[in-house]
Amino acid sequence: DVKVTQSSRYLVKRTGEKVFLECVQDMDHENMFWYRQDPGLGLRLIYFSYDVKMKEKGDIPEGYSVSREKKERFSLILESASTNQTSMYLCASTWVEGLMNEQFFGPGTRLTVL
Amino acid sequence: SQQGEEDPQALSIQEGENATMNCSYKTSINNLQWYRQNSGRGLVHLILIRSNEREKHSGRLRVTLDTSKKSSSLLITASRAADTASYFCAQYSGAGSYQLTFGKGTKLSVIP
Repeated sequence: DVKVTQSSRYLVKRTGEKVFLECVQDMDHENMFWYRQDPGLGLRLIYFSYDVKMKEKGDIPEGYSVSREKKERFSLILESASTNQTSMYLCASTWVEGLMNEQFFGPGTRLTVL
Repeated sequence: SQQGEEDPQALSIQEGENATMNCSYKTSINNLQWYRQNSGRGLVHLILIRSNEREKHSGRLRVTLDTSKKSSSLLITASRAADTASYFCAQYSGAGSYQLTFGKGTKLSVIP
């Protein structure tokens, strides 16, 4: 079974802190994604990566950056956390062959910024 | 941008009843997918239906797709309390796109 893990289930940070959210997948997937999920807004794509060191902006990249130094790991970085970044963050991965495949999700990180 | 929209937003049924959720989308698709999310957890892929398919079954799940109406429905038969979750439809934004766009979901409550 594909396994996507996220570094924390719950995280509490203060405004202005630098926050790292890490995601690791064990199925050699080329594509990895970061979403945030908010009540009434559904899932929104922040960034995705289709290869090591490659990244593309999603719908809401402002205030975020990403890093993909190894194929299995995709990190989301909040350079200076703000209260409006309090949210559930979901990582996902999929393989590139055939494109448009189902995505495999991690358990999510619920981030609270105080 | 949000492409798919689920209907209803919330649904409450008794255990043993069938649950039907609908999804509408705006542009042409290669496939449409349904996901389930238990409270506070990640999403789990349920079923994928391709644009040239009209109906697909998986266990107690039945998905239909009407590309002329740009709509899909997910039927869960003989529902169980464990089916209580939010259900999302999702589509890729365009040909060759990497971006999967999700609707806002239907929250299903199955009462024992």
